[in-house]
Amino acid sequence: ETGVTQSPTHLIKTRGQQVTLRCSSQSGHNTVSWYQQALGQGPQFIFQYYREEENGRGNFPPRFSGLQFPNYSSELNVNALELDDSALYLCASSLAKGGTQYFGPGTRLLVL
Amino acid sequence: KNEVEQSPQNLTAQEGEFITINCSYSVGISALHWLQQHPGGGIVSLFMLSSGKKKHGRLIATINIQEKHSSLHITASHPRDSAVYICAVLDNTDKLIFGTGTRLQVFP
Repeated sequence: ETGVTQSPTHLIKTRGQQVTLRCSSQSGHNTVSWYQQALGQGPQFIFQYYREEENGRGNFPPRFSGLQFPNYSSELNVNALELDDSALYLCASSLAKGGTQYFGPGTRLLVL
Repeated sequence: KNEVEQSPQNLTAQEGEFITINCSYSVGISALHWLQQHPGGGIVSLFMLSSGKKKHGRLIATINIQEKHSSLHITASHPRDSAVYICAVLDNTDKLIFGTGTRLQVFP
């Protein structure tokens, strides 16, 4: 148990829909990162938030957006879902920007 | 070419064997992580290191910064060690770049 929780655990959507995934960080952690892991691949960095500001972004289109709240919980929003967005979405929190990251269990998204 | 390469991609072993997983990277880093991912998807951080060697129980991780190479060793392997082991580097923009993982199966 890392103290990082994600919801929902599983989700099925259709192409074109929008989805919001949630992450609750470990207590005291001000940094959260989001990753997309396609089947059989390593995770890919989507973006990182530090104290409610975006602190770096990977090669993902603008339809992937995020928020970090004052309590450091976080959301990942994906608009106009595509079939290739089907993946495991992981969030990880850390005490500081370069610190050890503690991963949540992930949300498995299936886009039909 | 991926910025983080792991070998082997798949590994099978008999219980008790000594296991080595290798990781090479091509970018500047501030730290390197070894992670364990079980079939359910959850990821556990095993080590974060920026130099030398760390040991935790039967696990040992080493890094050679000059050669841009790290190894994860498992001594006296056990079936419960079966998982995907992922090497990830923290680049100089605090972004984690992952390898594709090594799938380890340890048979009794």
